[in-house]
Amino acid sequence: DQQVKQNSPSLSVQEGRISILNCDYTNSMFDYFLWYKKYPAEGPTFLISISSIKDKNEDGRFTVFLNKSAKHLSLHIVPSQPGDSAVYFCAAKDTGRRALTFGSGTRLQVQP
Amino acid sequence: GAGVSQSPSNKVTEKGKDVELRCDPISGHTALYWYRQSLGQGLEFLIYFQGNSAPDKSGLPSDRFSAERTGGSVSTLTIQRTQQEDSAVYLCASSLGGSNEQFFGPGTRLTVL
Repeated sequence: DQQVKQNSPSLSVQEGRISILNCDYTNSMFDYFLWYKKYPAEGPTFLISISSIKDKNEDGRFTVFLNKSAKHLSLHIVPSQPGDSAVYFCAAKDTGRRALTFGSGTRLQVQP
Repeated sequence: GAGVSQSPSNKVTEKGKDVELRCDPISGHTALYWYRQSLGQGLEFLIYFQGNSAPDKSGLPSDRFSAERTGGSVSTLTIQRTQQEDSAVYLCASSLGGSNEQFFGPGTRLTVL
């Protein structure tokens, strides 16, 4: 039973355009959401996060949107750069637990 | 400063052998986590340490898996009688006590032949 789902295994966008990565969840007890970026042969790197009491968090080119009623979050990257090419994981934390539940990842390729 | 380090980076073993994987968390991080990532999958939680105790072991897949943490720092994940389905990348993460943001090491790629 996948509690965090990333339904798009891959995404390709042109440099300078917007990248939108999507994530759906089923557990209403999740209270904190994170996005991680992963390059080959490296561990995931924290990118941006959002608490369930907010609906938007912005950090430079990266913005995360949370729609609690739809149990959906998205990561917007604008403008996209070739160095953004990586696998992006959505993760969520359950109230009262410290473990993160991860989606299966979306591979983003930004074409120069 | 130094990030999370893990050793070895790669481990190839034969089915039935025991393996030990090591994690050195970021200095001062009291919380330590183990995850694993099988091919094409997301990260799967295994165990969480706060200091030297493990309040959440719910992700350990069987009693062949165990972990310990000593001195509130280094952690070792041990897999006994390895099976081919144990093949995965094992990732360690650490965080400051109250923080939700976990910082990951590069992982140990385990291959069981």
